[in-house]
Amino acid sequence: ETGVTQSPTHLIKTRGQQVTLRCSSQSGHNTVSWYQQALGQGPQFIFQYYREEENGRGNFPPRFSGLQFPNYSSELNVNALELDDSALYLCASREGGRAYGYTFGSGTRLTVV
Amino acid sequence: TQLLEQSPQFLSIQEGENLTVYCNSSSVFSSLQWYRQEPGEGPVLLVTVVTGGEVKKLKRLTFQFGDARKDSSLHITAAQPGDTGLYLCAGAPAFGNEKLTFGTGTRLTIIP
Repeated sequence: ETGVTQSPTHLIKTRGQQVTLRCSSQSGHNTVSWYQQALGQGPQFIFQYYREEENGRGNFPPRFSGLQFPNYSSELNVNALELDDSALYLCASREGGRAYGYTFGSGTRLTVV
Repeated sequence: TQLLEQSPQFLSIQEGENLTVYCNSSSVFSSLQWYRQEPGEGPVLLVTVVTGGEVKKLKRLTFQFGDARKDSSLHITAAQPGDTGLYLCAGAPAFGNEKLTFGTGTRLTIIP
């Protein structure tokens, strides 16, 4: 399978709820990272996983958590949603080390009301 | 905290003109990546530069990594309407926490 697939594409949740976003990466891409992109801004790094272990985290509170599975899929969980969590959430994966670029999915547009 | 500043933030030029986008930081990066993002889509990788002073060409696009690996530039020759989009640079840290830092972005519009 080629490319990175994210689901759902759009989601509306109520403040205080919990949400799970999903990502399916290319076979062989052992590194997956998640980003939050607010309108008009560059993506902000949330965290990264390598072979199912977290190996990097950005400045996001613990209510943002994730998992990576052996089948190259991963998920981002956000608890106690806040209005400011409304954004485009991007998943990206890569095959090699730090010098390699990432393949991004098209993202999940989350709206918190 | 590593920060990447891009300039200009917005650029609107006529088809056929040349342009340069800059990406600057006070931090050293192991690699610098350039992406282009269309509305409603994720960023698409254009190039990765790894060695200080490295120059890479992709058709009409020329990318350069600074000698000290703290900055980069993207030069587009004879811009075309298809070049319109949001251009993002992103730096991978030389060591420590894996954290790809994105620049603030340059929104480029090419007028036919």
